[in-house]
Amino acid sequence: EVQLVETGGGLIQSGGSLRLSCAISGFTVSSNYMSWVRQAPGKGLEWVSVIHSDGGTYYADSVKGRFTVSRDSSRNTLYFQMNSLRAEDTAVYYCARADNWNYGGPFDYWGQGTLVTVSS
Amino acid sequence: DIQMTQSPSSLSASVGDRVTITCRTSQSISSYLNWYQQKPGKAPNLLIYDASSLQSGVPSRFSGSGSGTDFTLTISSLQPEDFATYYCQQSYSTPRTFGQGTKVEIK
Repeated sequence: EVQLVETGGGLIQSGGSLRLSCAISGFTVSSNYMSWVRQAPGKGLEWVSVIHSDGGTYYADSVKGRFTVSRDSSRNTLYFQMNSLRAEDTAVYYCARADNWNYGGPFDYWGQGTLVTVSS
Repeated sequence: DIQMTQSPSSLSASVGDRVTITCRTSQSISSYLNWYQQKPGKAPNLLIYDASSLQSGVPSRFSGSGSGTDFTLTISSLQPEDFATYYCQQSYSTPRTFGQGTKVEIK
């Protein structure tokens, strides 16, 4: 059974840092394209980052230079290091598998999400 | 970036109704269009991928159509568990982008 479990969210002051984790079971993190998608309270979904199976990374302009996606194959875990946090980064953060990214595949498996609240 | 426009933003419908949600993109994306359902407090759930392919385990009352810039999600007979918010998403280019959502409420 596939499971993605995010942890690491919480309340943080503006300018602070936080690291999210996404523990994966049922498939191998390093063989797949993995994304982070966020949702501000009461708002829609926003894609923020992807890490390719070859290790390449891409970011939305809204987080570029502040957030870093990485993975640990030995722990089968995806990470999201968030620095210089702003109030507008307040959101539920989801990790999701981006199936067949290069061929236009969807986000087929999602975690339950973890809430990040940035206080100003 | 590819802009996604869903309509309507919300709708009220009754159990058994046929419901149609549309999604328009700012440029052609072939069939690289996906639909998700999201219930309050839950993660999105993939319903349709490649514009018209039904994800495994999703009831057949859900269907998708379209290509290019205009797409449609149809629920043939609305069930109580279908009251939720629906999002379209393009997977044609990076950054991936989502529509603003359509909330389906009980009439």
